[in-house]
Amino acid sequence: GAVVSQHPSRVICKSGTSVKIECRSLDFQATTMFWYRQFPKQSLMLMATSNEGSKATYEQGVEKDKFLINHASLTLSTLTVTSAHPEDSSFYICSATRRVSNQPQHFGDGTRLSIL
Amino acid sequence: DQQVKQNSPSLSVQEGRISILNCDYTNSMFDYFLWYKKYPAEGPTFLISISSIKDKNEDGRFTVFLNKSAKHLSLHIVPSQPGDSAVYFCAASRRNAGGTSYGKLTFGQGTILTVHP
Repeated sequence: GAVVSQHPSRVICKSGTSVKIECRSLDFQATTMFWYRQFPKQSLMLMATSNEGSKATYEQGVEKDKFLINHASLTLSTLTVTSAHPEDSSFYICSATRRVSNQPQHFGDGTRLSIL
Repeated sequence: DQQVKQNSPSLSVQEGRISILNCDYTNSMFDYFLWYKKYPAEGPTFLISISSIKDKNEDGRFTVFLNKSAKHLSLHIVPSQPGDSAVYFCAASRRNAGGTSYGKLTFGQGTILTVHP
């Protein structure tokens, strides 16, 4: 089946640091990738939709300058949390889907980001 | 505005019995519904889905029922096993233009299922 790899799985860093999270589709070409954020005991909230070769579409309330998304190839999307602060600490998850597909999104295992 | 709601934060079931997880939605434009299972510190794993043109879809021990008039769907797990213990999320989506692919997912809050041996 389709596999999505997310790296790193856990990051602990100081306030003010920028953190990059990678999301790779390992056995299919993902023309669309999605980035979600999950707070403890809450639902997964969509942050942005990333289409290969074009700018990401951000959901309302998500700062595009804070959360930089790049989808440079059909197998890789990156999320960079710029100048991270403690309130950015969360669980970030990516998912990927083929362009024309009746298959569901496949998720990575997520990244636990902790900002001290 | 929570468009997809799972009103039961937790459910406890005896092994071998049926687990029924419920989900309600408010957006009538949703036409594709999914259930995901999630373990701590892992991403969600797809379980089963249903299109709005159907009212039931079955896959092994998992059956999803859709009641469009009530905007309600449910996941039945029979028989329940201890390994089914996890957080279950329902999600809803709309088809993209052309009807050939599915867009962003809107998730419910999740229900923690615990299956006791």
